[in-house]
Amino acid sequence: NAGVTQTPKFRVLKTGQSMTLLCAQDMNHEYMYWYRQDPGMGLRLIHYSVGEGTTAKGEVPDGYNVSRLKKQNFLLGLESAAPSQTSVYFCASSEAWAGQPQHFGDGTRLSIL
Amino acid sequence: AQSVTQLDSQVPVFEEAPVELRCNYSSSVSVYLFWYVQYPNQGLQLLLKYLSGSTLVKGINGFEAEFNKSQTSFHLRKPSVHISDTAEYFCAVSSPAGNKLTFGGGTRVLVKP
Repeated sequence: NAGVTQTPKFRVLKTGQSMTLLCAQDMNHEYMYWYRQDPGMGLRLIHYSVGEGTTAKGEVPDGYNVSRLKKQNFLLGLESAAPSQTSVYFCASSEAWAGQPQHFGDGTRLSIL
Repeated sequence: AQSVTQLDSQVPVFEEAPVELRCNYSSSVSVYLFWYVQYPNQGLQLLLKYLSGSTLVKGINGFEAEFNKSQTSFHLRKPSVHISDTAEYFCAVSSPAGNKLTFGGGTRVLVKP
């Protein structure tokens, strides 16, 4: 029972490089989310999706892009990585928005040098 | 706009002692409230949630929380902690018609033997 799977688990990038983080869920959830976690700041929503082919901006979208080409996958892209994007990134999915719990992956630790 | 304040960033507690984690929120509309737990190097897991009805909510692992509308609080309690409760705990809020989950900054609980 995989739930939400994130790849890779760790990555080190140089400033200016690009990369894509992959999130896959096997629960047939409509909604998917990308968060970043920084010490003392909790989780902040980057982008989210309410269904295949849809995406929307969250609280901190600058410097990131996303795509939801398939219902089970949600990709987060960094076009030109900056040191300020060093963080732990979490993907989550849920059946609906408000009252349903979100199911989280184990995170991707990303360091930008 | 909604916001969540977790008043304690760290809470040390001895094994078998009680613990209370404080959470206050601000919102101009009705809210749904959640507590999540994050064990080291893992994603977040739902502990409990308040949607409506009884203000005392029981969750997993012996945790409970009480919704207090007049004080805009949702404090988490456990009467007797175990070493395995060492983790970071996050309070979160959303509105029934809202479009995002807003997290507090987290409280690290360290259970000492």
